[in-house]
Amino acid sequence: EVQLVESGGGLVKPGGSLRLSCAASGFTFSSFTMNWVRQAPGKGLEWVSSIISSGNFIFYADSVQGRFTIYRDNAKNSLYLQMNSLRAEDTAVYYCARASSGVTSELDSWGQGTLVTVSS
Amino acid sequence: QSVLTQPPSVSGAPGQRVTISCTGSSSNIGAGYTVHWYQQLPGTSPKLLISGDNNRPSGVPDRFSVSKSGTSASLAITGLQVDDGADYYCQSYDSSLSGYVFGTGTKVTVL
Repeated sequence: EVQLVESGGGLVKPGGSLRLSCAASGFTFSSFTMNWVRQAPGKGLEWVSSIISSGNFIFYADSVQGRFTIYRDNAKNSLYLQMNSLRAEDTAVYYCARASSGVTSELDSWGQGTLVTVSS
Repeated sequence: QSVLTQPPSVSGAPGQRVTISCTGSSSNIGAGYTVHWYQQLPGTSPKLLISGDNNRPSGVPDRFSVSKSGTSASLAITGLQVDDGADYYCQSYDSSLSGYVFGTGTKVTVL
C-alpha cells in the first residue's frame, strides 16, 4: 500500500524558515515524480513544486520561486521542502503527492498533510 | 492563484445528476493536456477521482464520468448519493507556468 507521511509543520514567524519532510513507503520511490501541493485554510488547492525521479529537474510555482527548495533523498525514500522567508500567505496545509507517471500526470497518492502557520 | 475556473457550488437531490465545469485556456486544457479530477471529503486529503478519459481508480463507481471539449472539461455525477457531498477539483498541466494548475473547486451539496 502506498503511504506518504508528511511532518515538520508548525508555527513560525514571518521571515522564518521551516523544513517539511515526506516519508514514502509501499512503492519504488526513486521511480516517481513527487510534488508538494498546499491548501490555505478554507481555500482551494495550489501546486507548489515538483521534482522528477532523479532529482535533476525541478519546478516551482511563481509564488514560492526563490524562497522554497524541493529536494529528495531516494536512498531514504524521502521528499523535502525547505521553506525560507516565510510569509503569512504561506499559511496552509502542505500535502506531499505522487505523480503517477511524470510531471504532467495525475496525482494518484496524497499524504495526510502537515499544517504550516506563519504568524507573529 | 487558480488558472482553471469552476462554479463555487452545485447541488442536487439524491438520485439526480449534477455536472461541474472546468474552464481553462490554450496553455492548459486547450493545449491538449489531460484533465484530472479529485474529490476532497470534509477534513480529509484530496483523493484522485478520475484521470484523463474516464480512468477511475479502484473503488470509484462509474456514476462519475468526465468529458472534455476545447478549453473546458466537465465532471458528471449521476445517481447522486449523500456520500458524494464533498469538494471537487479539476487539475491539468500548464505549459506557460511549467507546472500543475488546479481548478477553483466546487462544493457539491446533496439536498
